[in-house]
Amino acid sequence: DVKVTQSSRYLVKRTGEKVFLECVQDMDHENMFWYRQDPGLGLRLIYFSYDVKMKEKGDIPEGYSVSREKKERFSLILESASTNQTSMYLCASRNRGYTGELFFGEGSRLTVL
Amino acid sequence: AQKITQTQPGMFVQEKEAVTLDCTYDTSDPSYGLFWYKQPSSGEMIFLIYQGSYDQQNATEGRYSLNFQKARKSANLVISASQLGDSAMYFCAMRDQKEYGNKLVFGAGTILRVKS
Repeated sequence: DVKVTQSSRYLVKRTGEKVFLECVQDMDHENMFWYRQDPGLGLRLIYFSYDVKMKEKGDIPEGYSVSREKKERFSLILESASTNQTSMYLCASRNRGYTGELFFGEGSRLTVL
Repeated sequence: AQKITQTQPGMFVQEKEAVTLDCTYDTSDPSYGLFWYKQPSSGEMIFLIYQGSYDQQNATEGRYSLNFQKARKSANLVISASQLGDSAMYFCAMRDQKEYGNKLVFGAGTILRVKS
């Protein structure tokens, strides 16, 4: 069974803390993505990566960075968490190609106090 | 820039009836793909159906069909014979067809409630 695993389902952090959200996929996919989901706004792309050590900014990269040192792992980093980064974070992966759908993890709900 | 619009924040449907969830899109690319995802209250995103911009026929997957009207730039999801388990958030999404780095752009979503 194909799987995208996010390290934490629920996190509570304090303003200014550094936060790591980890994502691992076991499908040998080239492309990986980080989205955040907020009510009324749908899913917005933060960063994506189409190869190891490659990264591209999405629509809302400010305040975030990413790391992809291995093909199966894509990490989202909040250098200094702020309350407006309280959200649901979804990791996804897909194979290279035109028609493949995204496979999503279960999400990480982050609360920044 | 690509854009997806879902104008229905919430919908109700009676069990066993059909329901249409609206989605319009905007892109200048001639080649693109359209997707629908379901997100139940548990939070996981479930892929439902895909339509390519050059596909001649509307996509169908079981009780799901995509009413693709290219000239109107709409890609509505039709769920036939609604079931209680269809209650969820539904997202429409679009992706350009670049070989590398293509990304999915999502709409705001529609919450569907199926009544018994």
